Amino acid sequence: DTAVSQTPKYLVTQMGNDKSIKCEQNLGHDTMYWYKQDSKKFLKIMFSYNNKELIINETVPNRFSPKSPDKAHLNLHINSLELGDSAVYFCASSQGLFRYEQYFGPGTRLTVT
Amino acid sequence: KNEVEQSPQNLTAQEGEFITINCSYSVGISALHWLQQHPGGGIVSLFMLSSGKKKHGRLIATINIQEKHSSLHITASHPRDSAVYICALSGGSNYKLTFGKGTLLTVNP
Repeated sequence: DTAVSQTPKYLVTQMGNDKSIKCEQNLGHDTMYWYKQDSKKFLKIMFSYNNKELIINETVPNRFSPKSPDKAHLNLHINSLELGDSAVYFCASSQGLFRYEQYFGPGTRLTVT
Repeated sequence: KNEVEQSPQNLTAQEGEFITINCSYSVGISALHWLQQHPGGGIVSLFMLSSGKKKHGRLIATINIQEKHSSLHITASHPRDSAVYICALSGGSNYKLTFGKGTLLTVNP
């Protein structure tokens, strides 16, 4: 029974398209995150939600919009995709903000052509 | 200067060796995390520390808050320990999580 799941696992799309990545956690956690891992494998936080409220928005273009319909879900919508958006996107959750162990999803590899 | 520095960047060891990976940081933190990422890509949280030492199986993590330094030790290393190990900081009141660039560990049989 997967704790943090993401769909899809792979996403290949063309520049200019709009796409979404979904994340669900069944751990009962209050906090969820989106991270981006670039081609050099460097991880960077994008967003954090606590109890459905946006806490962190780390200088991410406004083409990226997170949406949290409930505490168990945090989806990532990306408009007008660009080549530089190609990366692996990880969702994670934790019991609270950062002072708690984080549980990561399997990642979504986004390729923009 | 990056807020978090890991060393070494790459580490190759023989099976059975004792491994140490270091993480130094320059900011106040509320907690330090050690993460493991296997070649397949999944990320697993190994430890979260705010003081002292934690042990899980063959893995030991220590932190010295005064010296702003943490170490991850692997005893009796095994090829399955081959992975990227990432140090991450959560700092102060702004909840920011900052990642090191990772240490690529290869353990040869």
